Amino acid sequence: GAGVSQSPSNKVTEKGKDVELRCDPISGHTALYWYRQSLGQGLEFLIYFQGNSAPDKSGLPSDRFSAERTGGSVSTLTIQRTQQEDSAVYLCASSPNRVWREGSYNEQFFGPGTRLTVL
Amino acid sequence: SQQGEEDPQALSIQEGENATMNCSYKTSINNLQWYRQNSGRGLVHLILIRSNEREKHSGRLRVTLDTSKKSSSLLITASRAADTASYFCAYRTSYGKLTFGQGTILTVHP
Repeated sequence: GAGVSQSPSNKVTEKGKDVELRCDPISGHTALYWYRQSLGQGLEFLIYFQGNSAPDKSGLPSDRFSAERTGGSVSTLTIQRTQQEDSAVYLCASSPNRVWREGSYNEQFFGPGTRLTVL
Repeated sequence: SQQGEEDPQALSIQEGENATMNCSYKTSINNLQWYRQNSGRGLVHLILIRSNEREKHSGRLRVTLDTSKKSSSLLITASRAADTASYFCAYRTSYGKLTFGQGTILTVHP
């Protein structure tokens, strides 16, 4: 079956522009995560969705970052007024877990990522 | 920022040799996972070891976990050029989000 897909695969933008990154999770997966991978900070968590709600947004670096998820499926990460430090690979992952319990495990399946370059 | 550290940061070996990567973490965990990443893009889950396990095998992979030292190691035996990739340890925290180590870049020369 299809895995997690992300689009675009590469995005080059100018400083100050807004960008939207899209994630299509595996069908039926209720949990969706966004991560960012940059040279200076490594792999960092951004936001977690369970269904359409986001109980954990603690990783979003500033109010320029926002994300939504609709229909319990597609998610969009929006970065407003992009800065050069936003340049990174943005990774999305989905997981079938419905309720997170202490000690439970549900594998996360990662998409190929979107490489964002802010000039 | 990350809560785990891995060493070495880079490892270069010849095909057929074994590769060992280490990971340390700073908090109590229920399990620890190892991921592989090719060409700086998507991650692939390799193996998970639970906190009550000390060693686990999967094919050419062997993972150990020492919860008293808060450390884990990943051993790839009889390495192949196709094993060239970055390897990350990770553990789950609230809501299942993953906290990753800094990663080890493995290069296997044919």
